[in-house]
Amino acid sequence: EVRLVESGGGLVQPGGSLRLSCAVSGLTFSSYWMSWVRQAPGKGLEWVANIKQDGSEKNYVDSVRGRFSISRDNAKNLLFLEMNNLRDEDTAVYYCASGSYFLDNWGQGSLVTVSS
Amino acid sequence: DIQMTQSPTSVSASVGDTVTIHCRASQDINNWLAWYQQKPGKVPKLLITTASNVQYGVPSRFSGSGSGTDFSLTINSLQPEDFATYYCQQANTFPLLSFGGGTRVEIK
Repeated sequence: EVRLVESGGGLVQPGGSLRLSCAVSGLTFSSYWMSWVRQAPGKGLEWVANIKQDGSEKNYVDSVRGRFSISRDNAKNLLFLEMNNLRDEDTAVYYCASGSYFLDNWGQGSLVTVSS
Repeated sequence: DIQMTQSPTSVSASVGDTVTIHCRASQDINNWLAWYQQKPGKVPKLLITTASNVQYGVPSRFSGSGSGTDFSLTINSLQPEDFATYYCQQANTFPLLSFGGGTRVEIK
Protein backbone atom coordinates (compact mmCIF):
# COMPACT_ATOMS: atom_id res chain seq x y z
CA GLU A 1 0.00 0.00 0.00
CA VAL A 2 1.31 3.42 -0.97
CA ARG A 3 1.37 5.93 1.89
CA LEU A 4 2.34 9.58 1.92
CA VAL A 5 2.24 11.26 5.32
CA GLU A 6 2.83 14.99 5.69
CA SER A 7 3.93 16.68 8.89
CA GLY A 8 5.25 20.01 10.08
CA GLY A 9 2.26 22.26 9.53
CA GLY A 10 1.00 24.73 12.08
CA LEU A 11 0.41 28.37 12.92
CA VAL A 12 3.09 30.85 11.92
CA GLN A 13 3.22 34.64 11.85
CA PRO A 14 3.57 36.55 8.58
CA GLY A 15 7.22 36.66 7.61
CA GLY A 16 7.94 33.45 9.47
CA SER A 17 9.23 30.10 8.28
CA LEU A 18 8.06 26.52 8.36
CA ARG A 19 9.35 23.20 7.04
CA LEU A 20 6.99 20.52 5.84
CA SER A 21 7.97 16.88 5.53
CA CYS A 22 6.38 14.03 3.64
CA ALA A 23 7.25 10.43 4.50
CA VAL A 24 6.66 8.04 1.64
CA SER A 25 6.29 4.27 1.74
CA GLY A 26 4.99 1.56 -0.55
CA LEU A 27 6.69 2.80 -3.70
CA THR A 28 10.25 3.19 -4.93
CA PHE A 29 10.58 6.80 -3.84
CA SER A 30 13.77 7.48 -5.76
CA SER A 31 12.01 6.60 -9.04
CA TYR A 32 9.33 9.28 -8.78
CA TRP A 33 9.00 12.96 -9.40
CA MET A 34 7.36 14.45 -6.32
CA SER A 35 5.15 17.53 -5.99
CA TRP A 36 3.63 19.79 -3.39
CA VAL A 37 0.07 20.99 -4.06
CA ARG A 38 -1.84 23.36 -1.80
CA GLN A 39 -5.48 24.20 -1.22
CA ALA A 40 -6.52 27.38 0.53
CA PRO A 41 -9.64 27.12 2.72
CA GLY A 42 -12.69 26.69 0.50
CA LYS A 43 -10.62 27.12 -2.66
CA GLY A 44 -9.25 24.96 -5.45
CA LEU A 45 -6.01 23.09 -5.94
CA GLU A 46 -2.80 24.94 -6.73
CA TRP A 47 0.39 23.17 -7.78
CA VAL A 48 3.29 24.65 -5.78
CA ALA A 49 6.51 22.84 -6.65
CA ASN A 50 8.05 19.62 -7.87
CA ILE A 51 11.41 17.87 -7.83
CA LYS A 52 13.01 15.34 -10.13
CA GLN A 53 13.88 11.84 -8.97
CA ASP A 54 17.51 12.65 -8.17
CA GLY A 55 16.83 16.17 -6.94
CA SER A 56 18.67 17.74 -9.86
CA GLU A 57 15.68 19.74 -11.08
CA LYS A 58 13.28 21.80 -9.01
CA ASN A 59 10.36 23.87 -10.26
CA TYR A 60 8.02 26.36 -8.58
CA VAL A 61 4.85 28.32 -9.20
CA ASP A 62 5.65 32.01 -9.60
CA SER A 63 3.98 33.03 -6.33
CA VAL A 64 6.41 31.02 -4.18
CA ARG A 65 9.60 31.12 -6.23
CA GLY A 66 12.41 32.58 -4.13
CA ARG A 67 10.55 31.95 -0.86
CA PHE A 68 9.93 28.19 -0.92
CA SER A 69 12.46 25.42 -1.48
CA ILE A 70 11.68 21.81 -2.30
CA SER A 71 14.13 19.03 -1.50
CA ARG A 72 14.25 15.29 -0.95
CA ASP A 73 16.22 12.60 0.87
CA ASN A 74 16.05 9.43 -1.19
CA ALA A 75 17.88 7.42 1.46
CA LYS A 76 15.10 8.14 3.94
CA ASN A 77 12.15 8.36 1.51
CA LEU A 78 11.43 11.91 2.60
CA LEU A 79 10.21 14.98 0.72
CA PHE A 80 10.52 18.47 2.16
CA LEU A 81 9.15 21.96 1.57
CA GLU A 82 11.01 24.78 3.24
CA MET A 83 8.76 27.85 3.38
CA ASN A 84 10.21 31.26 4.20
CA ASN A 85 8.81 34.79 4.36
CA LEU A 86 5.32 33.35 4.68
CA ARG A 87 2.34 35.48 3.75
CA ASP A 88 -1.34 35.37 4.70
CA GLU A 89 -2.14 34.01 1.25
CA ASP A 90 0.06 30.96 1.88
CA THR A 91 -2.53 29.68 4.35
CA ALA A 92 -3.63 26.31 2.99
CA VAL A 93 -3.59 22.57 3.33
CA TYR A 94 -0.37 21.37 1.72
CA TYR A 95 -0.42 17.96 0.04
CA CYS A 96 2.55 15.98 -1.15
CA ALA A 97 1.92 13.87 -4.25
CA SER A 98 3.85 11.43 -6.40
CA GLY A 99 3.98 11.41 -10.17
CA SER A 100 5.44 13.40 -13.01
CA TYR A 101 2.87 14.66 -15.51
CA PHE A 102 -0.03 13.48 -13.37
CA LEU A 103 -0.28 12.99 -9.62
CA ASP A 104 -1.44 9.52 -8.74
CA ASN A 105 -0.80 9.26 -5.01
CA TRP A 106 -1.55 11.97 -2.45
CA GLY A 107 -0.96 12.44 1.25
CA GLN A 108 -3.70 13.49 3.63
CA GLY A 109 -2.36 17.05 3.82
CA SER A 110 -0.84 19.34 6.43
CA LEU A 111 -2.49 22.62 7.39
CA VAL A 112 -0.37 25.75 7.37
CA THR A 113 -1.95 28.86 8.86
CA VAL A 114 -0.22 32.20 8.45
CA SER A 115 -1.68 34.73 10.85
CA SER A 116 -0.64 37.28 13.43
CA ASP B 1 1.39 30.52 -18.46
CA ILE B 2 -1.46 28.27 -19.48
CA GLN B 3 -4.77 29.10 -17.85
CA MET B 4 -7.28 26.32 -17.28
CA THR B 5 -10.94 27.37 -17.13
CA GLN B 6 -13.62 24.97 -15.97
CA SER B 7 -17.33 25.31 -16.58
CA PRO B 8 -19.73 25.34 -15.00
CA THR B 9 -18.36 26.20 -11.57
CA SER B 10 -21.15 24.12 -10.08
CA VAL B 11 -23.90 21.88 -11.35
CA SER B 12 -26.92 20.40 -9.61
CA ALA B 13 -27.95 16.94 -10.71
CA SER B 14 -29.94 13.95 -9.57
CA VAL B 15 -28.89 10.34 -9.12
CA GLY B 16 -29.06 8.68 -12.51
CA ASP B 17 -28.41 11.86 -14.49
CA THR B 18 -25.58 12.33 -16.96
CA VAL B 19 -23.28 15.23 -16.14
CA THR B 20 -20.66 16.78 -18.39
CA ILE B 21 -17.97 19.12 -17.07
CA HIS B 22 -15.82 21.24 -19.37
CA CYS B 23 -12.23 22.41 -19.18
CA ARG B 24 -10.71 24.88 -21.59
CA ALA B 25 -6.99 25.63 -21.90
CA SER B 26 -5.73 29.05 -22.91
CA GLN B 27 -3.49 27.38 -25.49
CA ASP B 28 -3.08 24.00 -27.13
CA ILE B 29 -2.11 21.37 -24.58
CA ASN B 30 -2.45 18.39 -26.96
CA ASN B 31 -3.93 15.68 -24.73
CA TRP B 32 -1.88 16.44 -21.62
CA LEU B 33 -4.88 16.68 -19.37
CA ALA B 34 -6.00 14.88 -16.23
CA TRP B 35 -9.17 14.88 -14.17
CA TYR B 36 -9.30 14.54 -10.38
CA GLN B 37 -12.18 13.99 -7.98
CA GLN B 38 -12.18 15.47 -4.50
CA LYS B 39 -14.88 14.66 -2.01
CA PRO B 40 -15.44 17.05 0.93
CA GLY B 41 -12.68 16.70 3.50
CA LYS B 42 -10.89 14.11 1.40
CA VAL B 43 -7.77 13.88 -0.72
CA PRO B 44 -7.91 14.39 -4.49
CA LYS B 45 -8.12 11.20 -6.52
CA LEU B 46 -6.75 10.83 -10.03
CA LEU B 47 -9.52 9.66 -12.38
CA ILE B 48 -8.33 10.17 -15.94
CA THR B 49 -4.99 10.89 -17.62
CA THR B 50 -4.07 12.01 -21.13
CA ALA B 51 -7.61 13.30 -21.60
CA SER B 52 -9.34 9.94 -21.93
CA ASN B 53 -7.34 7.23 -20.14
CA VAL B 54 -9.48 6.10 -17.21
CA GLN B 55 -7.39 4.95 -14.29
CA TYR B 56 -7.61 1.39 -13.02
CA GLY B 57 -10.42 0.96 -10.52
CA VAL B 58 -12.37 4.04 -11.63
CA PRO B 59 -15.95 3.12 -12.56
CA SER B 60 -16.72 2.89 -16.27
CA ARG B 61 -19.40 5.59 -15.95
CA PHE B 62 -16.54 8.12 -15.95
CA SER B 63 -15.15 9.11 -19.34
CA GLY B 64 -13.01 11.88 -20.71
CA SER B 65 -12.63 13.37 -24.15
CA GLY B 66 -11.07 16.24 -26.01
CA SER B 67 -7.78 17.44 -27.40
CA GLY B 68 -6.08 20.73 -28.06
CA THR B 69 -7.86 23.32 -25.92
CA ASP B 70 -11.28 21.84 -25.15
CA PHE B 71 -11.89 18.87 -22.89
CA SER B 72 -14.77 17.28 -21.06
CA LEU B 73 -15.44 14.84 -18.26
CA THR B 74 -18.71 12.93 -18.49
CA ILE B 75 -20.30 10.99 -15.66
CA ASN B 76 -23.04 8.67 -16.85
CA SER B 77 -25.77 7.51 -14.48
CA LEU B 78 -24.59 9.69 -11.57
CA GLN B 79 -24.27 7.80 -8.30
CA PRO B 80 -24.49 9.21 -4.74
CA GLU B 81 -20.74 8.76 -4.26
CA ASP B 82 -20.02 10.92 -7.33
CA PHE B 83 -21.11 14.14 -5.66
CA ALA B 84 -17.79 15.91 -5.32
CA THR B 85 -15.62 18.63 -6.82
CA TYR B 86 -13.79 17.80 -10.03
CA TYR B 87 -10.57 19.45 -11.20
CA CYS B 88 -8.76 19.36 -14.52
CA GLN B 89 -4.97 19.66 -14.64
CA GLN B 90 -2.72 20.35 -17.60
CA ALA B 91 0.73 18.83 -18.02
CA ASN B 92 1.69 20.21 -21.43
CA THR B 93 4.16 22.55 -19.74
CA PHE B 94 5.64 19.81 -17.57
CA PRO B 95 7.49 20.10 -15.26
CA LEU B 96 5.29 23.13 -14.59
CA LEU B 97 1.73 22.03 -13.85
CA SER B 98 -1.56 23.87 -13.32
CA PHE B 99 -5.11 23.09 -12.26
CA GLY B 100 -8.49 24.40 -13.28
CA GLY B 101 -10.66 26.14 -10.72
CA GLY B 102 -12.90 23.15 -10.09
CA THR B 103 -16.49 22.16 -10.73
CA ARG B 104 -18.73 21.17 -7.86
CA VAL B 105 -21.32 18.49 -8.59
CA GLU B 106 -24.16 18.91 -6.13
CA ILE B 107 -27.29 16.95 -5.37
CA LYS B 108 -30.43 18.49 -6.83
